[in-house]
Amino acid sequence: DAGITQSPRHKVTETGTPVTLRCHQTENHRYMYWYRQDPGHGLRLIHYSYGVKDTDKGEVSDGYSVSRSKTEDFLLTLESATSSQTSVYFCAISGSPRPSGGYNEQFFGPGTRLTVL
Amino acid sequence: AQTVTQSQPEMSVQEAETVTLSCTYDTSESDYYLFWYKQPPSRQMILVIRQEAYKQQNATENRFSVNFQKAAKSFSLKISDSQLGDAAMYFCAYRSLWGNDMRFGAGTRLTVKP
Repeated sequence: DAGITQSPRHKVTETGTPVTLRCHQTENHRYMYWYRQDPGHGLRLIHYSYGVKDTDKGEVSDGYSVSRSKTEDFLLTLESATSSQTSVYFCAISGSPRPSGGYNEQFFGPGTRLTVL
Repeated sequence: AQTVTQSQPEMSVQEAETVTLSCTYDTSESDYYLFWYKQPPSRQMILVIRQEAYKQQNATENRFSVNFQKAAKSFSLKISDSQLGDAAMYFCAYRSLWGNDMRFGAGTRLTVKP
């Protein structure tokens, strides 16, 4: 299994409070991703990173920010949590795209269940 | 943007029987990847099978196989000899050849009856 951990695994917080989720990898992969999973929507990309200090927005980025100061860590921050951000959050990693083609599989962490009351 | 549709929210199958999960997608690209992921109650996302769009041959992994119909933009998953451990949510996903993210369908919950 790919070495990806997420912390915390569960969190309950109140509306308006800041929340930071951490993703840590031991695979030295260049790309890291944050997804959220909601019933009826599958997984949707929030933000991703293609290197240290290099990040970009995904499909549902509003209300979220990210930071990557080291290859191994990718942080997701909810500056002021809202009830609509109650979800399960997944981190994923992958290697760089291959010029010769071939698979570029994403490996997923165990997920973090966040409840915003 | 590419979209992925799984039209079956729930499916059930008898143990040892065969079941097919449907997936369709919308894209204007000619080269891309398609994946099926399994998510058991543990919540871990597990890659089941993958297909490169430029390969005509359908991918197979043990009891799992796909029926890839590029013109119809269809990518169904067939599970043969179903086992109790196959019970899970199954997600179909699309990724562009050079893309940095995957587009997921809403998922199909598979129940396996003993």
